[in-house]
Amino acid sequence: QKEVEQNSGPLSVPEGAIASLNCTYSDRVSQSFFWYRQYSGKSPELIMSIYSNGDKEDGRFTAQLNKASQYVSLLIRDSQPSDSATYLCAALRRGGNEKLTFGTGTRLTIIP
Amino acid sequence: DADVTQTPRNRITKTGKRIMLECSQTKGHDRMYWYRQDPGLGLRLIYYSFDVKDINKGEISDGYSVSRQAQAKFSLSLESAIPNQTALYFCATSEGTGTGNTIYFGEGSWLTVV
Repeated sequence: QKEVEQNSGPLSVPEGAIASLNCTYSDRVSQSFFWYRQYSGKSPELIMSIYSNGDKEDGRFTAQLNKASQYVSLLIRDSQPSDSATYLCAALRRGGNEKLTFGTGTRLTIIP
Repeated sequence: DADVTQTPRNRITKTGKRIMLECSQTKGHDRMYWYRQDPGLGLRLIYYSFDVKDINKGEISDGYSVSRQAQAKFSLSLESAIPNQTALYFCATSEGTGTGNTIYFGEGSWLTVV
């Protein structure tokens, strides 16, 4: 079992709709979670971080964390063609054996 | 200018050659990392350094070595390159404090070993 799992996609969403990206993690000690957006051939850039159970909103983006279910999601409202990219989920375990683990990413395509 | 700069951005090298990828950062972060990215495998950690005197192996360190020359500089070496080291390599930095430990990536270095 991969430590951080994402559906590789591609996920196709019509422009203006809500895109929903999901991620599960296996390390129960993970404390912080991140969503990165990566355009083809470019470096990942941080979209959202979330540390507490519940929702965190930033503009069109909402991150959701459920530690009991070991589940993290990213919602993108009013999807735009510029949102077409690969989205990477990452989980951080802090402490003496600190470790940040990335999922393999979900490729999102917004259809005009 | 980018906060995390990698050189070279693209390199084609032959099997058996030594190649060095360099990374410098202006963010003032203590922590630096080298990742490689392969299709379907995501980002995998090669080496990381939490300060100038600290070097740690990541999950795929075999065939690689690193040098932390200064707080701002962290280089990755392939002593004898092989074709399966063809990948996109990222240097990254983080502040390493607080809950977040957000990682910031450089622009990437495409390495092809033929």
